[in-house]
Amino acid sequence: AQSVSQHNHHVILSEAASLELGCNYSYGGTVNLFWYVQYPGQHLQLLLKYFSGDPLVKGIKGFEAEFIKSKFSFNLRKPSVQWSDTAEYFCAVSKTDSWGKLQFGAGTQVVVTP
Amino acid sequence: GAVVSQHPSRVICKSGTSVKIECRSLDFQATTMFWYRQFPKQSLMLMATSNEGSKATYEQGVEKDKFLINHASLTLSTLTVTSAHPEDSSFYICSARPRVEREYSYNEQFFGPGTRLTVL
Repeated sequence: AQSVSQHNHHVILSEAASLELGCNYSYGGTVNLFWYVQYPGQHLQLLLKYFSGDPLVKGIKGFEAEFIKSKFSFNLRKPSVQWSDTAEYFCAVSKTDSWGKLQFGAGTQVVVTP
Repeated sequence: GAVVSQHPSRVICKSGTSVKIECRSLDFQATTMFWYRQFPKQSLMLMATSNEGSKATYEQGVEKDKFLINHASLTLSTLTVTSAHPEDSSFYICSARPRVEREYSYNEQFFGPGTRLTVL
């Protein structure tokens, strides 16, 4: 069955620490990959996406993600987090022939302490 | 930027009643809208895909007679929860995929703020 796995459900770290959130998927064929963020009380926002080309993609707010096809992974990274990065982060996958239907991972709650 | 609104943001209803939730793309036309459901501390689960002018496509396990979806125009889709029961209480989120993709990234979709439904 197709699935999207996020390994960390809850992460707590201090400001200026580095962040890496894992995402693995099990899909056949070509996929589009996304990371979304949901700040407290706000709607989902797109952080970054990968469709093709350079497997290292840069998004907003200093986030980046690397697509490793052989590992079916799309891990999210930020070298130095801020308190304002406290949010829930969702990895999502869409098959290219699916009209954009997204399957989401379970999400990772990230808490950044001052 | 592309903005999607939902109305109402929060609704409380009695068991057995029907509730309609609207999803509007405010500054773009959407060929496709998606409806998701999010349980507390869980991820978003796709319920159905709504294309303007055609019947919605429901995901496996989603009752189409219970969750009626109407995509009446390129800017409006509605989800009606019929004969709601407490187990239907959840956070319902819509997203919209722009019609004119050259103005946006391919396959990009924009999310509404969600509607919190509580069925007593």
